[in-house]
Amino acid sequence: GALVYQYPRRTICKSGTSMRMECQAVGFQATSVAWYRQSPQKTFELIALSTVNSAIKYEQNFTQEKFPISHPNLSFSSMTVLNAYLEDRGLYLCGARASQNTLYFGAGTRLSVL
Amino acid sequence: GDSVTQTEGQVALSEEDFLTIHCNYSASGYPALFWYVQYPGEGPQFLFRASRDKEKGSSRGFEATYDKGTTSFHLRKASVQESDSAVYYCALGTQGKLIFGQGTKLSIKP
Repeated sequence: GALVYQYPRRTICKSGTSMRMECQAVGFQATSVAWYRQSPQKTFELIALSTVNSAIKYEQNFTQEKFPISHPNLSFSSMTVLNAYLEDRGLYLCGARASQNTLYFGAGTRLSVL
Repeated sequence: GDSVTQTEGQVALSEEDFLTIHCNYSASGYPALFWYVQYPGEGPQFLFRASRDKEKGSSRGFEATYDKGTTSFHLRKASVQESDSAVYYCALGTQGKLIFGQGTKLSIKP
């Protein structure tokens, strides 16, 4: 089956520092990866859509300068949160696209900022 | 722009009750429609999808029928169990990404 692993599961960083999170698709080739942030109120914000060998498309209010993404192959992607502050807290989810354009999600990386 | 609306923020039922969670969408053409379920501490899990008018998706006893006329994809289950307690999200697929509804928290009393 299609599995997506994200790590770390939880991370705490000091305000103004950066942290990197990783996403790995197992059992399938992910033609694209969508990074989301889920707020404490449980709503989803799309950060960016990344397709291998194509430009990464960031949504409004999210930039490459703040959330740089690496997507070197069909099974791995990483995203960094630079200069994290309180408003960056949340559950960061990686959705990897499999057949029939279905996104499979990992368990997420929960970011806390002190 | 495209959007998804779930009417119920919370639903409380007893075991073996019938479940309906309403989902309506706004989009042009025939977007794919999805249901996901999220348990505490986990990411959203894919339940099923449909991509054509009148197509029915189903999984684990849950089902929904794509209705372009009413722009709806309501989730139903004939008899819920306590293990079904979770948050359910309706989503619309467009241009490689998903647009999620606000989510419906389902609580089942034993």
